[in-house]
Amino acid sequence: NAGVTQTPKFRILKIGQSMTLQCTQDMNHNYMYWYRQDPGMGLKLIYYSVGAGITDKGEVPNGYNVSRSTTEDFPLRLELAAPSQTSVYFCASSPSLYEQYFGPGTRLTVT
Amino acid sequence: DQQVKQNSPSLSVQEGRISILNCDYTNSMFDYFLWYKKYPAEGPTFLISISSIKDKNEDGRFTVFLNKSAKHLSLHIVPSQPGDSAVYFCAASARSGAGSYQLTFGKGTKLSVIP
Repeated sequence: NAGVTQTPKFRILKIGQSMTLQCTQDMNHNYMYWYRQDPGMGLKLIYYSVGAGITDKGEVPNGYNVSRSTTEDFPLRLELAAPSQTSVYFCASSPSLYEQYFGPGTRLTVT
Repeated sequence: DQQVKQNSPSLSVQEGRISILNCDYTNSMFDYFLWYKKYPAEGPTFLISISSIKDKNEDGRFTVFLNKSAKHLSLHIVPSQPGDSAVYFCAASARSGAGSYQLTFGKGTKLSVIP
């Protein structure tokens, strides 16, 4: 039981490039989330999903896209990367409405 | 506009003593509160939670207190241990439009427990 896994752990992008951050959970949770954490700040919700095929925007969705074709996977797509997207990205899943289980994070730098 | 505020960026406590971490919130719609613990280069891990209908929840060395009238909650760790040194995030939950609940996080308090 690996929990929530994220790949890659680190990535450096050039401005204007695109990439997909992968997130997989093996706990059969319906709810999945993507957050970003900037230095000295709390986590901010980017997108979330309440089940396969259902996604919705969080607090800071601009510049990102998501899809949820299976219960296990919830990839986050960055189109046209900008320096403002330099951050640590966390994926989380939840079996219920409250407690969330987090992955180890992806540290992204855009230069 | 921060809906969840942790006004102390850092806290140092002697091993064996009590650690008290504080959190204030502004949104009356929050109905569930959680504390997460985060070590460097790792994701946050769930520590303890409390429903808005309760005023106290205890789990071993960790106790969370909720004062709804003051919109304030606190996390007590007794006794504090060096392994408790981490960043602690307060989070509050409110129902979202898609039938789920969204967590709003504070900025975190870095706890250092001195041996």
